[in-house]
Amino acid sequence: AQTVTQSQPEMSVQEAETVTLSCTYDTSESNYYLFWYKQPPSRQMILVIRQEAYKQQNATENRFSVNFQKAAKSFSLKISDSQLGDTAMYFCAFMTSKGGGSQGNLIFGKGTKLSVKP
Amino acid sequence: DGGITQSPKYLFRKEGQNVTLSCEQNLNHDAMYWYRQDPGQGLRLIYYSQIVNDFQKGDIAEGYSVSREKKESFPLTVTSAQKNPTAFYLCASSITLVSNQPQHFGDGTRLSIL
Repeated sequence: AQTVTQSQPEMSVQEAETVTLSCTYDTSESNYYLFWYKQPPSRQMILVIRQEAYKQQNATENRFSVNFQKAAKSFSLKISDSQLGDTAMYFCAFMTSKGGGSQGNLIFGKGTKLSVKP
Repeated sequence: DGGITQSPKYLFRKEGQNVTLSCEQNLNHDAMYWYRQDPGQGLRLIYYSQIVNDFQKGDIAEGYSVSREKKESFPLTVTSAQKNPTAFYLCASSITLVSNQPQHFGDGTRLSIL
């Protein structure tokens, strides 16, 4: 079974600085998809960034980028120039590319609570 | 604007009562999902549907039921068989069930026991 582990329950960063959130996962599959979602105090889940396992190039979305290390099964999120609005829970998620009963199932880590301080 | 609407935002259930959480989307997405979120936990999949009149159990389907009579709607019923229903419930949708399509989420419903 696939699992997703986020080892940092809470983190804080000063505004304008850079922070990296860790995520590791376990799977025997070679092709899959990885996501980072943000959940602000409003509780809505917002997609931050995604990565296809077959792509070696790390995904980037404005101030957000990932460091995808497939062999190490690591998928960390880097937030540059942190802003107060980045304060939220951040969830790492895995999705298999196989069909059948597991299709469509996003497997989430337990989350990292990020606080951006002024 | 297109999006996913969940209602109500807060819901209270009495012992032995069934309650239904609403989820409506106007994104023209085929696939819809229900997740449960407990404090300090990630989301866990309850049910998902890839098309009208079809749905599949997720990891924690016991005590829950769903229907998919319309493409836009995927209501979740929390039955009296669910002994620990207090949680935050999130509905999501995606264009299809194909893995590389991101899921879009509603604002959630918080269910509590009276």
